[in-house]
Amino acid sequence: DVKVTQSSRYLVKRTGEKVFLECVQDMDHENMFWYRQDPGLGLRLIYFSYDVKMKEKGDIPEGYSVSREKKERFSLILESASTNQTSMYLCASRSTGEQYFGPGTRLTVL
Amino acid sequence: RKEVEQDPGPFNVPEGATVAFNCTYSNSASQSFFWYRQDCRKEPKLLMSVYSSGNEDGRFTAQLNRASQYISLLIRDSKLSDSATYLCVVNLLTGGGNKLTFGTGTQLKVEL
Repeated sequence: DVKVTQSSRYLVKRTGEKVFLECVQDMDHENMFWYRQDPGLGLRLIYFSYDVKMKEKGDIPEGYSVSREKKERFSLILESASTNQTSMYLCASRSTGEQYFGPGTRLTVL
Repeated sequence: RKEVEQDPGPFNVPEGATVAFNCTYSNSASQSFFWYRQDCRKEPKLLMSVYSSGNEDGRFTAQLNRASQYISLLIRDSKLSDSATYLCVVNLLTGGGNKLTFGTGTQLKVEL
């Protein structure tokens, strides 16, 4: 059974803080993704990675960075959190078939 | 124009009804297509892939029309447990690999 886990379900941070969101998958998938989901806007791709140490910008990378030092782990970093980054963040992994999502992290930036 | 467009709904239908959702996509080079289901406060999960010839999985039927660039999902004999948001997903092969683009979802509410 594929499992994608995220470090926190709920997170509250203050404006200007550095925020780390961690994602781990246990299926040896090459591809990993970070999305944010907002009402009326759907899922939007922030960054993705198709191999260790590789990263590609998605549709809305501004204000975010990522790190993929190990195949199973993909981290999303908010260098200086802002209130407009309050959102649900979903990590996903995929090989050649189905894309599996983690349970999501609801981040609130005050 | 959005890459993937869906009617947000909600579609409120009685139990046992048949309901259909459509989704249009803008990039004719899109290669594969999916429907995902997302329950309230949960992550999206794959419902079914959509094949060119159309495919069926129990009460669910998916169809693809490449000429008109739309896909559809038909649910027969709706159950209360079908209440969810249904996401249309389109896959495009880019220089960086396969990229999935998600629609904003269509909300279905099945009522007694």
